[in-house]
Amino acid sequence: GAVVSQHPSWVICKSGTSVKIECRSLDFQATTMFWYRQFPKQSLMLMATSNEGSKATYEQGVEKDKFLINHASLTLSTLTVTSAHPEDSSFYICSARDQGRGVGWQETQYFGPGTRLLVL
Amino acid sequence: AQSVTQLDSHVSVSEGTPVLLRCNYSSSYSPSLFWYVQHPNKGLQLLLKYTSAATLVKGINGFEAEFKKSETSFHLTKPSAHMSDAAEYFCVVTLYSSASKIIFGSGTRLSIRP
Repeated sequence: GAVVSQHPSWVICKSGTSVKIECRSLDFQATTMFWYRQFPKQSLMLMATSNEGSKATYEQGVEKDKFLINHASLTLSTLTVTSAHPEDSSFYICSARDQGRGVGWQETQYFGPGTRLLVL
Repeated sequence: AQSVTQLDSHVSVSEGTPVLLRCNYSSSYSPSLFWYVQHPNKGLQLLLKYTSAATLVKGINGFEAEFKKSETSFHLTKPSAHMSDAAEYFCVVTLYSSASKIIFGSGTRLSIRP
């Protein structure tokens, strides 16, 4: 149980185009999902917290208008990289908290397999 | 300020020997602690977690970790390393003071020598 999927697993796009990445919790509901960015050989950097039915909370330094997050249902959050540029190339990982297993800070995060984005 | 420190960026052991990956945290509140493993170009897989129950936590693939409040540590161990254990390991903390705040360690790369 507690499986999180991401689609697509990898994407190559031209500079200036927009790319949408989906994150789904397959067997549990998640009112909160998280989006991370990971550079080679580095730890994960939290970009934003996605809240079902409300606006996402962005970390300092992350452009809201560039990284659009929508959390329309309890099992789906999307990240859209708008007007992508080569510097946006990275590994994007989402996670979802399983609120059925724990309370608040005890809730476990389950991670998706990641999406590798390459902007040419 | 809350923080997580993984003391070794790289650990190399021989196959069949014990593994020790060290993690220390700094927190004024009750933490929940997790260890995740990441294989190349993959997402993170949960190995185990501590959430204020038993201090010795057993996880998947033979890994376990012990929460030591006096030492503010949550080191990950395995009695006998296997080649498939080669990966990046992350220690992660979430804090009672802010359920949404997740703090990642910098990661430890585990290499296994034949």
